[in-house]
Amino acid sequence: QKEVEQNSGPLSVPEGAIASLNCTYSDRGSQSFFWYRQYSGKSPELIMSIYSNGDKEDGRFTAQLNKASQYVSLLIRDSQPSDSATYLCAVSSGGSNYKLTFGKGTLLTVNP
Amino acid sequence: KAGVTQTPRYLIKTRGQQVTLSCSPISGHRSVSWYQQTPGQGLQFLFEYFSETQRNKGNFPGRFSGRQFSNSRSEMNVSTLELGDSALYLCASSLGDSWPKAFFGQGTRLTVV
Repeated sequence: QKEVEQNSGPLSVPEGAIASLNCTYSDRGSQSFFWYRQYSGKSPELIMSIYSNGDKEDGRFTAQLNKASQYVSLLIRDSQPSDSATYLCAVSSGGSNYKLTFGKGTLLTVNP
Repeated sequence: KAGVTQTPRYLIKTRGQQVTLSCSPISGHRSVSWYQQTPGQGLQFLFEYFSETQRNKGNFPGRFSGRQFSNSRSEMNVSTLELGDSALYLCASSLGDSWPKAFFGQGTRLTVV
């Protein structure tokens, strides 16, 4: 059973701080990694994708991938109250496997 | 560019009935995937279609089925509804290559009573 694990939280940070969200996966063959943000009552929104080891930055978001440790993380700098949401980590094995396996999400609360 | 459109947004059905949900992907996207989201199980993969062919299927009973049309629009059907089928059903659209960057529709909230 291929699994994706995330801390359920809630993770609470003050406004302006760095929020760090972590994800581990069990399938060593995984090739594509994604972070989605889901506001309460809404559908998931893709915010980051990463395919190779290292860091990828997009605005206030940085995704980090370490395939050897089977670990993906998302850093949110200068956190804002509008970042309060559930963050979902998703992993795909690629190749002929066209599905995403999701973690159960980490609830982030940014306090003003 | 229009996003992924799912209809209807909300449904209330009775146990034993069947239901059909619809999804129109982003223009140019040929892959449509369906997911079920519940508070207890999170997001779970149902199936994926590309060019009218099912390429992958999750671990759901045969009551859950789907299809894709030549214009890439997709439908999923759930027959003989059970109370446990109450969930948010999400459709995701992607290009269909090996790097499945998927974009979700607003979802259909199904309540079975």
